[in-house]
Amino acid sequence: EPEVTQTPSHQVTQMGQEVILRCVPISNHLYFYWYRQILGQKVEFLVSFYNNEISEKSEIFDDQFSVERPDGSNFTLKIRSTKLEDSAMYFCASSEAGRVPEAFFGQGTRLTVV
Amino acid sequence: AQTVTQSQPEMSVQEAETVTLSCTYDTSESDYYLFWYKQPPSRQMILVIRQEAYKQQNATENRFSVNFQKAAKSFSLKISDSQLGDAAMYFCAYRSGQGGSEKLVFGKGTKLTVNP
Repeated sequence: EPEVTQTPSHQVTQMGQEVILRCVPISNHLYFYWYRQILGQKVEFLVSFYNNEISEKSEIFDDQFSVERPDGSNFTLKIRSTKLEDSAMYFCASSEAGRVPEAFFGQGTRLTVV
Repeated sequence: AQTVTQSQPEMSVQEAETVTLSCTYDTSESDYYLFWYKQPPSRQMILVIRQEAYKQQNATENRFSVNFQKAAKSFSLKISDSQLGDAAMYFCAYRSGQGGSEKLVFGKGTKLTVNP
């Protein structure tokens, strides 16, 4: 069964460093998303991406965040200068276009900023 | 903006029994989708069931069913014959059916414990 794959599963980084979280969405999906879940809290939308551009972003997704689809398979989230409060589980998701609305999630990347 | 409320932070059920998790939402839209996602200790988000707002019939997936009350903006999840593997966080989520927004709006979740 096709699935969304995220790497790494766990990343530890020092405050101020840049991190790139990687995702391989399901191959025939056209919409890509990043969500964040701070430990013990609800899942929050960060950004959606369609047709090689951001289609929607939340107020969390400020200038230190960026997304890219560098090739035909990968979808990345870059955090330019990490802060302690960026520590969270980051989920990538993808969905088909049209009237099939389900988003399928990857297993997540746990980011720890120290 | 749409909001999703799960009023039960924690629930417990005996194995083989039935449990219902509550969810209410607020929206001014008429076209939307509702979902229940399961998050086991591994923390992966797994889709359990989906409901289209334009469908009156409640969705069912094996032991999982929903009670969708559109006028009341209520979307509860019923788990029948609960199994130990059902223990997880359960999140209710809303997605607009209108063009322009594909994002999911999640509730805070309900932690379900299944007792043997």
